[in-house]
Amino acid sequence: AQSVTQLGSHVSVSEGALVLLRCNYSSSVPPYLFWYVQYPNQGLQLLLKYTTGATLVKGINGFEAEFKKSETSFHLTKPSAHMSDAAEYFCAVNGAGGYQKVTFGTGTKLQVIP
Amino acid sequence: DADVTQTPRNRITKTGKRIMLECSQTKGHDRMYWYRQDPGLGLRLIYYSFDVKDINKGEISDGYSVSRQAQAKFSLSLESAIPNQTALYFCATSSGGQPQHFGDGTRLSIL
Repeated sequence: AQSVTQLGSHVSVSEGALVLLRCNYSSSVPPYLFWYVQYPNQGLQLLLKYTTGATLVKGINGFEAEFKKSETSFHLTKPSAHMSDAAEYFCAVNGAGGYQKVTFGTGTKLQVIP
Repeated sequence: DADVTQTPRNRITKTGKRIMLECSQTKGHDRMYWYRQDPGLGLRLIYYSFDVKDINKGEISDGYSVSRQAQAKFSLSLESAIPNQTALYFCATSSGGQPQHFGDGTRLSIL
């Protein structure tokens, strides 16, 4: 079984401040982990993914995430928030490895305050 | 043109009506998925198909059916729509070794 917990359904940051969106996962086997972003009236876009190898992964738009097996976490960060980062972010896991039957978290809406 | 196209983008209908949502893709992926998104619940898998002859139920398949008419087409049907099926529906595709790629969604309202 696999599951994802995203801490905080809404996060607000000031423009230029650090963005930190939290994700913890549960998986019985080494997982594949993903972060997706959803802008209003659009589908989900892949921000970044972890499969194997380097635990710090870099994605698009300056985002990165670090896989920490001991903490079962995959938190998303960006050093400096931009107004265009306002969106909903979803963490997802595939505990069987691979890209099929991904389980999504409930999402975190990021608000960026000018 | 979008790689994954969903039609219609918006639909309002009445309880008891039969509804079909369509998804087509030009990515050449063999795997296709239908999800629904509800506020606070994230995305939940309804059905998925790994090829034309392979259809599988997801976690919330009751009240839904699907048809994989071709590798590029995967439709979702609500045989008799009910108000709690009001949601945002997404189609996604993938192939071996690649993450899922999503369409822009269909917003369905059932009155």
